[in-house]
Order: sequence, then C-alpha cells, then structure tokens
Amino acid sequence: AQSVAQPEDQVNVAEGNPLTVKCTYSVSGNPYLFWYVQYPNRGLQFLLKYITGDNLVKGSYGFEAEFNKSQTSFHLKKPSALVSDSALYFCAVRSQTGANNLFFGTGTRLTVIP
Amino acid sequence: DSGVTQTPKHLITATGQRVTLRCSPRSGDLSVYWYQQSLDQGLQFLIQYYNGEERAKGNILERFSAQQFPDLHSELNLSSLELGDSALYFCASSVSSGTGPSGANVLTFGAGSRLTVL
Repeated sequence: AQSVAQPEDQVNVAEGNPLTVKCTYSVSGNPYLFWYVQYPNRGLQFLLKYITGDNLVKGSYGFEAEFNKSQTSFHLKKPSALVSDSALYFCAVRSQTGANNLFFGTGTRLTVIP
Repeated sequence: DSGVTQTPKHLITATGQRVTLRCSPRSGDLSVYWYQQSLDQGLQFLIQYYNGEERAKGNILERFSAQQFPDLHSELNLSSLELGDSALYFCASSVSSGTGPSGANVLTFGAGSRLTVL
C-alpha cells in the first residue's frame, strides 16, 4: 500500500528564516515523489519532483527537497522564507511500478510571519 | 491559468440530488484524474481516464461515476448526494497514461469545483 504522512498540520516561520515542511512516505519499490502547493481558491501547483539520481532536488520559487531513502523522507526546504510562501503544501508519492495513481498527504499549512 | 478548465466553480444542491462536474484537460494531455478534497480527509484520488479508457480507480463511491469523451473532456457524475459529499473536486491532466516511467509526469490541476450539499 502507498501512503504519505505529513506530520505537521501547521508550520509557522518568520520571514527570512529557513523553512522545512516534513514528509515521509510508504511505497512498494522505488518512489516518484512530488511537492505541490495550493494557494487560496486555486488548484494545486507543481513545485518539484524526485525521480532518480541526485537526492537533492531543486524546484520552483527557490524551494528544494531532499530524498532520504533510509528514512523514507522527502522534506521540503527553503533557505529564506517569504510572506508570499504562505500556502498549503502537499507531498505526494507514486510507485515506479504498480498502482497508477498519485497518493497525497493531508497537507501542511505554512504561515510565514512578517 | 493552468490550462485545465473545470465547471461549474461553485454548486449548491440538496441531498438526494444528482450533479455533473465537467473538466477540459490541458491541450495535448490525454489523461484525466479526479480528486476529492475534503477538510477531514485531505486529497483523495477517485479515478483516472486515459484516452477514453478507465486506467485506475481509487476510493470512488458507487454513487459516483465518470467518463472521458472522444474530445478528451471528462465528466464526474455524483448521484444520491449526501451531506458528506460536500467537498472541492479537482480535475488534473497529464500527457501520458502514468504507467512505467511516465508515472513521473507532472499533473496539472484545475481550480476545482466546490460542491455544497444542503
């Protein structure tokens, strides 16, 4: 079975500070991993993905994520948070083989405090 | 604008009724996915179509059905509506079927259809 856990419903960080949004996953075999962001009254927007290779993935708007196979984690990071980063962030996983659909976490609401 | 168009944006209806949500995928995309987003259950995968054929099924209730038409637009039909069906329904599209290496393809989401059942 495939699943994603985002252990924090809410993350607050001061503007200019580094941010981390946590994600752990469970999947059969090797994973494809994704981060999406949702702004109010909008659909989900793609940020970055991990397919294979380098464990550090760089994406849109200065975000990056680190794939850790031993810890089955794919935490989203940004060195310096902006107020405009405030949004709902979703981690998602799918197996490279098997089930043909993307499983999402329950989301983490990030609030960047000016 | 993501290129994925969903209508209607908002829908209010009563229990027991039937509604149809419509999705036009991004130009060139052959796969359509339907997701339900509710406050208590997050984003749940419902069903996927690829070039008119059902490819994957998730937690879709028997009261719900979907199809993808020859012009690639898709409709999600929700019947015998219950209060618990109130949610945001998202459509997403991708170029390929999502099997094998194409499973890494990015999904492009529409803005969603907000259904309120009273």
